[in-house]
Amino acid sequence: GAVVSQHPSRVICKSGTSVKIECRSLDFQATTMFWYRQFPKQSLMLMATSNEGSKATYEQGVEKDKFLINHASLTLSTLTVTSAHPEDSSFYICSASPGSGKNYEQYFGPGTRLTVT
Amino acid sequence: KNQVEQSPQSLIILEGKNCTLQCNYTVSPFSNLRWYKQDTGRGPVSLTIMTFSENTKSNGRYTATLDADTKQSSLHITASQLSDSASYICVVSAPNDMRFGAGTRLTVKP
Repeated sequence: GAVVSQHPSRVICKSGTSVKIECRSLDFQATTMFWYRQFPKQSLMLMATSNEGSKATYEQGVEKDKFLINHASLTLSTLTVTSAHPEDSSFYICSASPGSGKNYEQYFGPGTRLTVT
Repeated sequence: KNQVEQSPQSLIILEGKNCTLQCNYTVSPFSNLRWYKQDTGRGPVSLTIMTFSENTKSNGRYTATLDADTKQSSLHITASQLSDSASYICVVSAPNDMRFGAGTRLTVKP
């Protein structure tokens, strides 16, 4: 149980285009979903927290107009990287939690490798 | 200053040997502490989650300890296998906050 999927697993896009990443909880309802990015040899950095049906809460320094998050249902959240630039190239990971808040167990997706050329 | 410090930063051991990873934190108030294993290019997988009242918790060859008084946790891996090669991340949560450690990169060699 507690399986989280991400799609796509890898994406290469040209500078200036937008990319959408999907995160799905397959066998449970995710009250809260989290989006992270991870640079090589570094730990995960939380970008934003989203609850179904409400606006995402972004961490300090994360541009909400650049990283659009939609949490349309209890099993699906999407992250759209708008007008991507090479510095946005990173490993993006989502997690889903059946609880509300940051102190509940989170189940992570397999990650999406974004390369912007 | 990061509120979760992990040590060592990296570790190389021979297959079959045991090892212990450390996590010290200053996060307060404390809700829980989680250990995750992250294989390269994959998402983290939960190993253990410990609350204030728990001193030790095992998951197969993984045993986590928690000393809430000294704010220290350890992850002990017994009889290491090649597949244990990964990053191990300590995450400490407060009621509405969570802090990630930088992780320990473990390499198990044959």
